[in-house]
Amino acid sequence: SAVISQKPSRDICQRGTSLTIQCQVDSQVTMMFWYRQQPGQSLTLIATANQGSEATYESGFVIDKFPISRPNLTFSTLTVSNMSPEDSSIYLCSAMRQGRITEAFFGQGTRLTVV
Amino acid sequence: RKEVEQDPGPFNVPEGATVAFNCTYSNSASQSFFWYRQDCRKEPKLLMSVYSSGNEDGRFTAQLNRASQYISLLIRDSKLSDSATYLCVSDSSYKLIFGSGTRLLVRP
Repeated sequence: SAVISQKPSRDICQRGTSLTIQCQVDSQVTMMFWYRQQPGQSLTLIATANQGSEATYESGFVIDKFPISRPNLTFSTLTVSNMSPEDSSIYLCSAMRQGRITEAFFGQGTRLTVV
Repeated sequence: RKEVEQDPGPFNVPEGATVAFNCTYSNSASQSFFWYRQDCRKEPKLLMSVYSSGNEDGRFTAQLNRASQYISLLIRDSKLSDSATYLCVSDSSYKLIFGSGTRLLVRP
């Protein structure tokens, strides 16, 4: 398995500001993803973080709002820009190592509250 | 229609009971399927991968029916510690698509 460290674990932010969430994996992984989980809901994929190139965003998510970096195989950041209360959610980093069995692992999540 | 659909529950069962969760998926191109477990305020953790016709791991059995695009999870001899939300997940082009989850409450 892979160990994923995600920080911060929680934050309370003022509307209009931005927050950058960091995700560090303890070993090289093929793919990294960012998810959002709103209260009582399941996980929604925001984007696939591509190493050395622009992230691939899912429908409803755009780069200007959620810029993502992945400078190497073990590290990625997600920025939530110009925050509004609707952005209050849990943001989860995920890493996938492909092989005979494909498994995905998750960071502990970042609980964001926008006031 | 959601790509992965689950009964949200909650399923409220006594200790020792057998409980089954169902899940359907709409993308016939999906290759791999998983069951994840998520405890309250925690990240999801892989419970079982489901390949070909299904597999068993201790008290847990997962079944896959590709013709009906249907996946199930059976938990035998339920424990209090099994109380959690169980997420049905499909892997479509190496992107995981999550169902909304089924809540299980195991009572003493």
